[in-house]
Amino acid sequence: GGIITQTPKFLIGQEGQKLTLKCQQNFNHDTMYWYRQDSGKGLRLIYYSITENDLQKGDLSEGYDASREKKSSFSLTVTSAQKNEMAVFLCASSIGRQNTLYFGAGTRLSVL
Amino acid sequence: QQKVQQSPESLIVPEGGMASLNCTSSDRNVDYFWWYRQHSGKSPKMLMSIFSNGEKEEGRFTVHLNKASLHTSLHIRDSQPSDSALYLCAASGTMNYNQGKLIFGQGTKLSIKP
Repeated sequence: GGIITQTPKFLIGQEGQKLTLKCQQNFNHDTMYWYRQDSGKGLRLIYYSITENDLQKGDLSEGYDASREKKSSFSLTVTSAQKNEMAVFLCASSIGRQNTLYFGAGTRLSVL
Repeated sequence: QQKVQQSPESLIVPEGGMASLNCTSSDRNVDYFWWYRQHSGKSPKMLMSIFSNGEKEEGRFTVHLNKASLHTSLHIRDSQPSDSALYLCAASGTMNYNQGKLIFGQGTKLSIKP
């Protein structure tokens, strides 16, 4: 079995700050995803990557940047944190489009 | 805009009853569907997947897919309190269009009443 590790678990930022979230997987999966989940709601796709150095925008990419420099890692940057923003950011990976997504435990963001 | 729509938004079912959840994609460039379950405070975990027209059963869970209408449904019989969770439907892009893109719906919150 493998694991997806997201760091940090909790992130508190200031309005306007640039914040970076990291994700590592040891499944050797090709495809990785970043989703945002607001309290009790569904998942909204921010970015995904089908291989190393590939980046594809999701429906919520505005205000975010992403980077996939290695197959095992995928990072997400909030370019300018919005005041009172609160959400959980979930990283996931899969072998390919017919395969199950495995999720990390999430990074919980709060902006003061 | 949300291209995967789930209904109802929330559902209360008595213990031992049947829960029925629905999901439709408005994007015709999808072909695979999944159902994920997310217990409170946890990450989503895959429950069932369906790629072909028809029905698939695993224990108390049955999923249906109609590819012509891009509609899938999940049915849980003999519902248990442990089935209380947020149920998320997801659809993935076809090989030639948005390959790898996986879009989730807004979820159905299922509560099983003892």
